[in-house]
Amino acid sequence: NAGVTQTPKFRILKIGQSMTLQCTQDMNHNYMYWYRQDPGMGLKLIYYSVGAGITDKGEVPNGYNVSRSTTEDFPLRLELAAPSQTSVYFCASSYVAGTNGYTFGSGTRLTVV
Amino acid sequence: TQLLEQSPQFLSIQEGENLTVYCNSSSVFSSLQWYRQEPGEGPVLLVTVVTGGEVKKLKRLTFQFGDARKDSSLHITAAQPGDTGLYLCGWGSGSRLTFGEGTQLTVNP
Repeated sequence: NAGVTQTPKFRILKIGQSMTLQCTQDMNHNYMYWYRQDPGMGLKLIYYSVGAGITDKGEVPNGYNVSRSTTEDFPLRLELAAPSQTSVYFCASSYVAGTNGYTFGSGTRLTVV
Repeated sequence: TQLLEQSPQFLSIQEGENLTVYCNSSSVFSSLQWYRQEPGEGPVLLVTVVTGGEVKKLKRLTFQFGDARKDSSLHITAAQPGDTGLYLCGWGSGSRLTFGEGTQLTVNP
């Protein structure tokens, strides 16, 4: 199984540009998440979804948008990129929230210059 | 918002040594998960603990959940260079998983 697939792996953006980070999972998980991780730090929740058509804000949602039109896909949109959005972004999924483990993708390293 | 405190933040030891890392909160956890993250990769689940006082073993790793479910520890016996990584604890609440800042472990040959 592919698990959670993120694309692209690396990207450099100029200030003010926009882009979409893609995330796809093939495990039929209901719950999907976007986290960002700054160097040497833990993970901060940006947005999450409990199923197709349902999304909610996490700890650090400003500057981002998400949509969930299918169970498999959960893209993260950056509008008007800023240097503060330089980070590594991880997508994760879970069959059931709480005690079930999360499966993470391998991340997208984004640099905004 | 429940805060997770992990300690120590950094730990550098020699191969063969034992170590313990901690995850603490002022509030009660419903459940706690431990993950290991290697450079350039996403976190990988090691274990989930649910019951107060629970102890789980995974080869040389021993995980303990405090009786009051406010703290957890991870003990590694005879550490190996392959144990090097960022160890994260995560607390599940409703639909969300909140992480501590992690312990960066380096095991030197």
